[in-house]
Amino acid sequence: EVQLVESGGGLIQPGGSLRLSCAASGFTVSSYYMSWVRQAPGKGLEWVSVIYTGGSTAFADSVKGRFIISRDNSKNTVYLQMNSLRAEDTAVYYCVRGVGPWGQGTLVTVSS
Amino acid sequence: DIQMTQSPSSLSASVGDRVTITCRASQSTNNYLNWYQQKPGKAPKLLIYSASSLQSGVPSRFTGSGSGTDFTLTISSLQPEDFATYYCQQSYSAPHTFGQGTNLEIK
Repeated sequence: EVQLVESGGGLIQPGGSLRLSCAASGFTVSSYYMSWVRQAPGKGLEWVSVIYTGGSTAFADSVKGRFIISRDNSKNTVYLQMNSLRAEDTAVYYCVRGVGPWGQGTLVTVSS
Repeated sequence: DIQMTQSPSSLSASVGDRVTITCRASQSTNNYLNWYQQKPGKAPKLLIYSASSLQSGVPSRFTGSGSGTDFTLTISSLQPEDFATYYCQQSYSAPHTFGQGTNLEIK
């Protein structure tokens, strides 16, 4: 069974850093493009970042230069390193394999 | 970047109704167009991929159509469990942008 489990969310002060993890099972992360999508409270879906099978990456303009996406094939896990966090980064962050399935999400709250 | 414009933003309908949601892209998505359903507090669920391919396990009352820049999601006969928010997304080129969502409510 394909499963994605996000972790690493929490309350962080503005300017801080956080690393989200997406542990995959039932498939190999290096065989699919993997994305992060976020949803601010009461808002729509916002695409954040992707890592392709070849290792290339892309980011939304809103996070470019602050976020880094990576994967560890030995752990079958995808990461989102989030630096210089802002209040507007507050959201539930979802990990997605290709176009689906999605993980259950992890909440990141940026607040002092 | 490809901009996705979804309409309507909200829709009231009754059980048994046929409903249509549209999504327009600012440039061709080469039919890399996906539809998702999201219920409150839950992760989005993939309904349709590649514009018209039904995801395994999704009821056949959901149909995706269109090509190029104009796409449609149709629900042929609304069921109580279909009241949710629906999003389109293009996965042709990064950023893989979403439409703003359509909130489907019970009339």
